[in-house]
Amino acid sequence: EAQVTQNPRYLITVTGKKLTVTCSQNMNHEYMSWYRQDPGLGLRQIYYSMNVEVTDKGDVPEGYKVSRKEKRNFPLILESPSPNQTSLYFCASSRFGRPSYEQYFGPGTRLTVT
Amino acid sequence: DAKTTQPTSMDCAEGRAANLPCNHSTISGNEYVYWYRQIHSQGPQYIIHGLKNNETNEMASLIITEDRKSSTLILPHATLRDTAVYYCIVRVDVDGNTGKLIFGQGTTLQVKP
Repeated sequence: EAQVTQNPRYLITVTGKKLTVTCSQNMNHEYMSWYRQDPGLGLRQIYYSMNVEVTDKGDVPEGYKVSRKEKRNFPLILESPSPNQTSLYFCASSRFGRPSYEQYFGPGTRLTVT
Repeated sequence: DAKTTQPTSMDCAEGRAANLPCNHSTISGNEYVYWYRQIHSQGPQYIIHGLKNNETNEMASLIITEDRKSSTLILPHATLRDTAVYYCIVRVDVDGNTGKLIFGQGTTLQVKP
């Protein structure tokens, strides 16, 4: 089954404790992306990757890092989480190039930073 | 990417067609119309997309006006499981696109028994 998986699905952590949210897709997609969703602000792109070893900032990259060492994986790293990073996070993937219309989203990771 | 305007919320009776409108009056010639939906904090799900012709797939139909300034997503026989927030997104689909989807506030569709 074609899917994007994220782990963990729920996480409560404390300020400053490094964490990684994993994202994996089994569709051999070139493009992967991270979004965060907050009430009243909708979904905003954090980082994206066009292919292995190619990453770039989205609209809200501050406080986050990513890496793309393998095509299937695109982890999101919070080196020193803060309460304003409490949010619902989604990973997405799609094939790159025209048309790139269908993005597949993961189930989401709900992160709480206290 | 062009801005879209959608009603905040709509109701629909189960089994009836749900017609969700979207205005995109500043759309340009190379911009596609996409529809996604999000069911209760799950990951958004792609529904359908189109450029200027009407489109239909197993989930829905997309009707785009001749001037392309508005469109309507049609769920032909809405079920309770179609209750969700529906997003209309307009974007250019070219090589080198960052792939970013700009989600507005969407329309909350409530399907009622």
